[in-house]
Amino acid sequence: EDKVVQSPLSLVVHEGDTVTLNCSYEVTNFRSLLWYKQEKKAPTFLFMLTSSGIEKKSGRLSSILDKKELFSILNITATQTGDSAVYLCAVPGGTSYGKLTFGQGTILTVHP
Amino acid sequence: EAQVTQNPRYLITVTGKKLTVTCSQNMNHEYMSWYRQDPGLGLRQIYYSMNVEVTDKGDVPEGYKVSRKEKRNFPLILESPSPNQTSLYFCASSLRFQNTEAFFGQGTRLTVV
Repeated sequence: EDKVVQSPLSLVVHEGDTVTLNCSYEVTNFRSLLWYKQEKKAPTFLFMLTSSGIEKKSGRLSSILDKKELFSILNITATQTGDSAVYLCAVPGGTSYGKLTFGQGTILTVHP
Repeated sequence: EAQVTQNPRYLITVTGKKLTVTCSQNMNHEYMSWYRQDPGLGLRQIYYSMNVEVTDKGDVPEGYKVSRKEKRNFPLILESPSPNQTSLYFCASSLRFQNTEAFFGQGTRLTVV
């Protein structure tokens, strides 16, 4: 069975803190891992990772993949209240070619 | 504007009354899929379609039907809705299945009483 597990499930921090969100996976025929941000509406795309050890960066957000240990992390530095959202990771493929398996999500709350 | 459009955005219905949630994309994407989102469970895939006339079950297909007669449309049909199908539903599309980001519709909040 394909599995994507995120941790922590929720996190409360203050503005300026740095956070690290984790996503581990057990998916056959792995090819990529995607991160999304969801703010009370539709998820929006953040990153797609296909290669181990290569950091993807966008402003204060960065992400990296470890295909040997089967996990990815999403880092957010100098957090702002606008970073409050649910962060989702997803892995395509697995037992059926067209499947897309999401983790449960991490709820991040950033207080002023 | 490139987008995925779902309708309706909100729907309250009664048990057993057939309903359809429409999904349309204007980006000529091959891959489309439906998800339901429930608290603590993340997004779970209901059905997906790799292209026109090609559909397959996701993780939670029971009680749902789909069709893909045209590339742009991928409706979700609940033949006999039940209260356990009360959920937030998202349609998404991507250029192809692998290694491309998905674009999501705005969601449909369905309540079955």
